[in-house]
Amino acid sequence: GAGVSQSPRYKVAKRGQDVALRCDPISGHVSLFWYQQALGQGPEFLTYFQNEAQLDKSGLPSDRFFAERPEGSVSTLKIQRTQQEDSAVYLCASSYPVLAERDTGELFFGEGSRLTVL
Amino acid sequence: DAKTTQPPSMDCAEGRAANLPCNHSTISGNEYVYWYRQIHSQGPQYIIHGLKNNETNEMASLIITEDRKSSTLILPHATLRDTAVYYCIVNNFGNEKLTFGTGTRLTIIP
Repeated sequence: GAGVSQSPRYKVAKRGQDVALRCDPISGHVSLFWYQQALGQGPEFLTYFQNEAQLDKSGLPSDRFFAERPEGSVSTLKIQRTQQEDSAVYLCASSYPVLAERDTGELFFGEGSRLTVL
Repeated sequence: DAKTTQPPSMDCAEGRAANLPCNHSTISGNEYVYWYRQIHSQGPQYIIHGLKNNETNEMASLIITEDRKSSTLILPHATLRDTAVYYCIVNNFGNEKLTFGTGTRLTIIP
């Protein structure tokens, strides 16, 4: 079956441009996460949706970052007025909610969108 | 504050068992130990998780010490495709928000 799909895989932007990164989660997955991964570092949490509701956006680094999931499926991460420090891989992950002890609660990650800001 | 401590890098010969340690001395009673790995240019992939009993699945085994302050991920017969960064994460079960550290870069040597 299809996994989590992210587009574009690679994006080069000039400083000051706006970018939009798309995530198609696994069909039926309720939870959706965005992470930011700088070179040589582990992924860092940005924001979390349960269906269309954004329940946690504590990791968004500034008000230039905005995420939405209007219909509870596809999500878009938008970065306005990009800066060089925004250069990173942006990872999207989705999951079912954990309902029983036997559930793994695992997150399924996409391959990421690599953003380079010049 | 880091909840886990892992060596930054390890090597293992192809075909041998790879044993990846993780210290989590401040783990609380309701926190599980999760392992994910990230192959180059891919997103992280779930491997295994456990609370206090040793666990095994088709990918790996997880050995958790009796005091739960440390654990070891075992890849029984490492292959070149196991070269990746391995992340040990402690988390409340059902809390899907993961906090990654910098992990262990495992290199499998032919």
